[in-house]
Amino acid sequence: GAGVSQSPSNKVTEKGKDVELRCDPISGHTALYWYRQSLGQGLEFLIYFQGNSAPDKSGLPSDRFSAERTGGSVSTLTIQRTQQEDSAVYLCASRGGAGNTIYFGEGSWLTVV
Amino acid sequence: SQQGEEDPQALSIQEGENATMNCSYKTSINNLQWYRQNSGRGLVHLILIRSNEREKHSGRLRVTLDTSKKSSSLLITASRAADTASYFCATYRNQGGKLIFGQGTELSVKP
Repeated sequence: GAGVSQSPSNKVTEKGKDVELRCDPISGHTALYWYRQSLGQGLEFLIYFQGNSAPDKSGLPSDRFSAERTGGSVSTLTIQRTQQEDSAVYLCASRGGAGNTIYFGEGSWLTVV
Repeated sequence: SQQGEEDPQALSIQEGENATMNCSYKTSINNLQWYRQNSGRGLVHLILIRSNEREKHSGRLRVTLDTSKKSSSLLITASRAADTASYFCATYRNQGGKLIFGQGTELSVKP
């Protein structure tokens, strides 16, 4: 596609429920990133994919968080048993080559009530 | 911990003035990038400066990089109200391939 697409744009969920956030990167981009941003804060790195593998998942906050990428394209970030502290904007980005610009989606705003 | 640290955290200026934001980082890098974010949503790439470059211009933006001091600055000249946003620096290393962001500078340009 023309840009990085994320869905849903906004999600309100009850504490304890599972949520899935989807990212569709720019066509042909091999690298894909997930970041989390809490209100008024900087971006917190979660996980990085190169193709379908995740060489760096060091930023995932707990084992409730997981991500996968299939076909070298779409990625899904899953948060199980959501907690209120999971409320944040989850941003996805993709990159076409080493050292090149990273392009961001508009983010998925998650609110856990 | 985050690689980049920005200063100031917040900056308020009048339209027409110049805005300077600084970024410091801790480890060696391949390049440093500046991004802009409006209203807490997606980030827009502004400019990339490679580790072997010292200065780069793009329109009203001027970025400098001092690898000996591990610091960079972003200058926006003749600011406009539309420049109001948060600005982030991010460092990229080929080893690992991830982009690490600072905490950002919130710029407010008053008309």
